[in-house]
Amino acid sequence: EVQLVESGGVLVKPGGSLKLSCAASGFAFSSYDMSWVRQTPEKRLEWVAYISRGGGNTYYPDTVKGRFTISRDNAKNTLYLQLNSLKSEDTAMYYCVRPGHHWFFDVWGAGTTVTVSS
Amino acid sequence: QIVLTQSPAIMSASPGEKVTMTCSASSSVSYMHWYQQKSGTSPKRWIYDTSKLASGVPARFSGSGSGTSYSLTISTMEAEDVATYYCQQWSSNPPITFGAGTKLELK
Repeated sequence: EVQLVESGGVLVKPGGSLKLSCAASGFAFSSYDMSWVRQTPEKRLEWVAYISRGGGNTYYPDTVKGRFTISRDNAKNTLYLQLNSLKSEDTAMYYCVRPGHHWFFDVWGAGTTVTVSS
Repeated sequence: QIVLTQSPAIMSASPGEKVTMTCSASSSVSYMHWYQQKSGTSPKRWIYDTSKLASGVPARFSGSGSGTSYSLTISTMEAEDVATYYCQQWSSNPPITFGAGTKLELK
């Protein structure tokens, strides 16, 4: 069974940092580009990071560029998202997702919750 | 970045009724995808490349559109279709963006 399991979400103060992890199983992780998508408390979906299968190419929207870093360890079948300089507007459920053709996100994890509050 | 506007924001339909929701883009997009999200769960792949149904999606669903105007249609509403539906655009380059969603309720 194809599965993505996120972890690492916590309550953190503004300006703080944390690292999310996503354990992949049931498919050839190293053969797929991967991504993170977040859902705000207002239920809006926002793409926040994308990494190529080898890790050599990454993309971010302007809202997180310079603060978030996506990375992967293909030997461990694990995807990461480093979140720095956190703001209250980064509060969201963070989903690990597998993009298919034309960035159609065909596999979603259950999500991990990040809350940024003093 | 391309802004997607979904309408209506909330709608209700009776069982057996035809349902149509729309997604309008601020500029032309190459492909539109759709996701279904039921309360308390993760979004689920639903329609890709504008009109192709993901595996397991009932045939009563369809997608259409081009350029800046896209739609998702349910030919006959069923109780299990209650959910929020999100559109997402792809246009060769990031950033990809999502619409704010259409919440579909049962009348």
